[in-house]
Amino acid sequence: EAQVTQNPRYLITVTGKKLTVTCSQNMNHEYMSWYRQDPGLGLRQIYYSMNVEVTDKGDVPEGYKVSRKEKRNFPLILESPSPNQTSLYFCASSFGDGQGYGYTFGSGTRLTVV
Amino acid sequence: GQNIDQPTEMTATEGAIVQINCTYQTSGFNGLFWYQQHAGEAPTFLSYNVLDGLEEKGRFSSFLSRSKGYSYLLLKELQMKDSASYLCAVRDSNYQLIWGAGTKLIIKP
Repeated sequence: EAQVTQNPRYLITVTGKKLTVTCSQNMNHEYMSWYRQDPGLGLRQIYYSMNVEVTDKGDVPEGYKVSRKEKRNFPLILESPSPNQTSLYFCASSFGDGQGYGYTFGSGTRLTVV
Repeated sequence: GQNIDQPTEMTATEGAIVQINCTYQTSGFNGLFWYQQHAGEAPTFLSYNVLDGLEEKGRFSSFLSRSKGYSYLLLKELQMKDSASYLCAVRDSNYQLIWGAGTKLIIKP
């Protein structure tokens, strides 16, 4: 089944403790992206990647890191999480740069930082 | 700045028709998307418009007017399972998606 897999689905952590949210897609998509979703706000892009070893900042990159060593994987790293990073996170992928194609989203990761 | 406007919430009756509007002001335009998102779940792709006019897909249709910076999503024969948020997103001149905050649609029996 074609899908984007995120893990974990839920995570509660403490301020400052490094964490990684994994994202993997099995559709051979070039484009991958991370979003956060907060109540009353639209999806905001954190980082995106056009292909292996090619990543770029989105609208809200502060406090996050990403890597794209393999085409299928695009982990999101929070080196020192803070409470304002409590949010619902989505990974998405698509062919090419996404032009003309809908994104496929992962199931989401609900992160709480206390 | 770039901006996507949608109503926050709408209510409609099962079996009826509802139109969800989206207006946008972006730096350039390279297509408009509509997504459906059930509570706590991932958004799923509904439609894509890049040229003016109406695109029909079963019970759902999406309309675009580039000159007016306007789109709408039309849902016919509403079913209870259509209760969800509907997200409008515009691809700008840099081919990045700008997202609206979404419209929560409540369907009543």
